[in-house]
Amino acid sequence: DSGVTQTPKHLITATGQRVTLRCSPRSGDLSVYWYQQSLDQGLQFLIHYYNGEERAKGNILERFSAQQFPDLHSELNLSSLELGDSALYFCASSVQGSYNEQFFGPGTRLTVL
Amino acid sequence: KNEVEQSPQNLTAQEGEFITINCSYSVGISALHWLQQHPGGGIVSLFMLSSGKKKHGRLIATINIQEKHSSLHITASHPRDSAVYICAASPMNYGGSQGNLIFGKGTKLSVKP
Repeated sequence: DSGVTQTPKHLITATGQRVTLRCSPRSGDLSVYWYQQSLDQGLQFLIHYYNGEERAKGNILERFSAQQFPDLHSELNLSSLELGDSALYFCASSVQGSYNEQFFGPGTRLTVL
Repeated sequence: KNEVEQSPQNLTAQEGEFITINCSYSVGISALHWLQQHPGGGIVSLFMLSSGKKKHGRLIATINIQEKHSSLHITASHPRDSAVYICAASPMNYGGSQGNLIFGKGTKLSVKP
């Protein structure tokens, strides 16, 4: 158990819908990262938050947004969902940033029908 | 060309064999990570290294910064080592507390009893 929690574990929804994925980092970790893992693209970095502020953006679509709240939990919002958004979404946390080990949550499996 | 390349893509070994998985990267890095992903999907961080060598049980990770190359070795392999092993680079251009990972495609290891 990494100490990082993600909810829900599984999510099945329809095209055009909007969903919210939630991540709670390990106690004491200030950084939260979101990653997407799809069969064709592998693991890709989406976005990094540090202590409530956005720090880096990767291959995140405009339909996706994220935020980190004062209690350091983070949410990833996916809207106008398309079939191609079906993937595993992981969050990870670390004490600070790139100089620290990242601990991964169990992931949320999103299926868009 | 991917910024992080792994080889081999697939590897089948007999129990007890010594296993090597290679990772080459083309970006400047602050750290190199080795991750393990089990069939259930969960990701575990095995090593984070920026120089030299690290050992944990039967796992050894090495990195050569000049050659931009890292290896993961498994001694006395066991069927429970069967998983996907993923190399990931923390790029240097994201410094300090900004950190993201660039992932290799992974090496699927199957250890037969």
